[in-house]
Amino acid sequence: EPEVTQTPSHQVTQMGQEVILRCVPISNHLYFYWYRQILGQKVEFLVSFYNNEISEKSEIFDDQFSVERPDGSNFTLKIRSTKLEDSAMYFCASQLGLAGAYEQYFGPGTRLTVT
Amino acid sequence: AQKVTQAQTEISVVEKEDVTLDCVYETRDTTYYLFWYKQPPSGELVFLIRRNSFDEQNEISGRYSWNFQKSTSSFNFTITASQVVDSAVYFCALNYDLDSNYQLIWGAGTKLIIKP
Repeated sequence: EPEVTQTPSHQVTQMGQEVILRCVPISNHLYFYWYRQILGQKVEFLVSFYNNEISEKSEIFDDQFSVERPDGSNFTLKIRSTKLEDSAMYFCASQLGLAGAYEQYFGPGTRLTVT
Repeated sequence: AQKVTQAQTEISVVEKEDVTLDCVYETRDTTYYLFWYKQPPSGELVFLIRRNSFDEQNEISGRYSWNFQKSTSSFNFTITASQVVDSAVYFCALNYDLDSNYQLIWGAGTKLIIKP
């Protein structure tokens, strides 16, 4: 069964450094998402992406964050200058069609630790 | 406003007991979708079920069952004859179609502990 993959599984970085989290969505899916989950807390929406542009973003997704799909397969989340509070699990998801009529398939997550 | 409330922060039961996880949602939309996801200790999010707002039939899948009641805006999840492997955090989530909003709105999760 096709699955969403994410690399790395765990990233440790120093405050102020740039990080890029990578995701390979399911190949025929059209909608892509990033969510984050601070340890022990709820999952929070960051951004949705369709047709090579951001569809929607949350208040968390400020200028320090960016997403792109450079080669039609990878979907990346970049954090330009990491802060301690960016430490969280980051989940990528992909979806075949529009909104709730289709399930969002989640990757295994990347645990980001900012020291 | 769109919101999902899971009032039970943690539930602990002994194996083989039945357990119900509550989910209450708020939305002004008439078309929406409700989901349950399981997050085991390994951390991944495992899809369990999707329900659309026009389908109020309850669903059963093995030991799992879901009770959707629009009148009380609830979408509760019951595990029958619980097992230790059911120990996880369970999230209820809401998705709606208005204004091209595609994100999932998540509840805070219920941590379920099944003791042997």
